[in-house]
Amino acid sequence: DAKTTQPPSMDCAEGRAANLPCNHSTISGNEYVYWYRQIHSQGPQYIIHGLKNNETNEMASLIITEDRKSSTLILPHATLRDTAVYYCIVRVVGSSNTGKLIFGQGTTLQVKP
Amino acid sequence: EPEVTQTPSHQVTQMGQEVILRCVPISNHLYFYWYRQILGQKVEFLVSFYNNEISEKSEIFDDQFSVERPDGSNFTLKIRSTKLEDSAMYFCASTTTSFGANVLTFGAGSRLTVL
Repeated sequence: DAKTTQPPSMDCAEGRAANLPCNHSTISGNEYVYWYRQIHSQGPQYIIHGLKNNETNEMASLIITEDRKSSTLILPHATLRDTAVYYCIVRVVGSSNTGKLIFGQGTTLQVKP
Repeated sequence: EPEVTQTPSHQVTQMGQEVILRCVPISNHLYFYWYRQILGQKVEFLVSFYNNEISEKSEIFDDQFSVERPDGSNFTLKIRSTKLEDSAMYFCASTTTSFGANVLTFGAGSRLTVL
């Protein structure tokens, strides 16, 4: 699975959009980009995933560059409850894959009042 | 919304004791996982389980660890003889398939403290 690079920490003002970048320059054509978050010591929570098109759901938007070498997770109106560690994970999907996710260090997002 | 349920939420044990952590995955899920997170460190993959057998395990998952699905609903992680360094949060996860863009759903975790 391709390696990802994320900034270790970011701040965001409450009510503003939080834009979390992820670099995955070695991504290959059959690898998806997943975003999870972990609030305090709770279990990781799924946010969104995508292959090459931009995606949006009730939690966030995922913008993937045309060359797929980087992506941005957007929380449109961050609240204090969005303070968490955000993980960008690239995972190959295929018959030989057990479906596991490999977590990096992630980005600690601090939403401030 | 369906949940992965883990028990106990917190267990304190003496070094050398056996510990069993339990998980009830989402009912139609077929693939199961255990992860651990030592305080202040990243979430680490331990083992994946499918069709009543281990499909993959990490270097962490040595002979002290075992998993089983004894009754078709529970998925357990056993640590035979706990060490101080086994103190961590243990997370269970499940998903419907390993193919395609599957989504792993995680439980809230079991905190293990080894004294």
